[in-house]
Amino acid sequence: GQNIDQPTEMTATEGAIVQINCTYQTSGFNGLFWYQQHAGEAPTFLSYNVLDGLEEKGRFSSFLSRSKGYSYLLLKELQMKDSASYLCAVMDSNYQLIWGAGTKLIIKP
Amino acid sequence: ETGVTQTPRHLVMGMTNKKSLKCEQHLGHNAMYWYKQSAKKPLELMFVYNFKEQTENNSVPSRFSPECPNSSHLFLHLHTLQPEDSALYLCASSQVEQPNTGELFFGEGSRLTVL
Repeated sequence: GQNIDQPTEMTATEGAIVQINCTYQTSGFNGLFWYQQHAGEAPTFLSYNVLDGLEEKGRFSSFLSRSKGYSYLLLKELQMKDSASYLCAVMDSNYQLIWGAGTKLIIKP
Repeated sequence: ETGVTQTPRHLVMGMTNKKSLKCEQHLGHNAMYWYKQSAKKPLELMFVYNFKEQTENNSVPSRFSPECPNSSHLFLHLHTLQPEDSALYLCASSQVEQPNTGELFFGEGSRLTVL
């Protein structure tokens, strides 16, 4: 079966760095997405990786290793507004999105 | 504002009621989706419409009935639901190219409670 694993919850301190991991086993691979979802709000797109390596976008970076079935989302200089759930999703060989259950990130002052 | 609007934001209904969820996208996209989001579970894709034609129905019970009258509007008709159907229902849209690697644009969801 197809599976996406990510931690259920993480806690970090304002101003620090946090890494949210995502591992996947899917039927084929056509890219990996990260979305951010604040409580009571719509998920919003953060990043898309289809090639190995690191993609940097401001304070957020996303890394992919296809051979390891592994990605992480790196958040630097954490702010209180970064408290949210972070959803990992992989597009399989049929271009279907397989979703993880999300990681709830709690930022403490 | 993501360009995808869902109404109502909150809905409470009994198991014998009939209600509908509405979604409208203002982005000119050609695909629309219904997802179910339950606490601590992955998003579940329910229905997909590409160019107004339903292309996916992931074994969703018949008590959920989608309708897509045009490429900007999507409805989810609800009838004789069960308490376990209580969840957040998210609508999304995307611009489908071939192959499809487009990002999804989500609405804020309709929080459904079935009593």
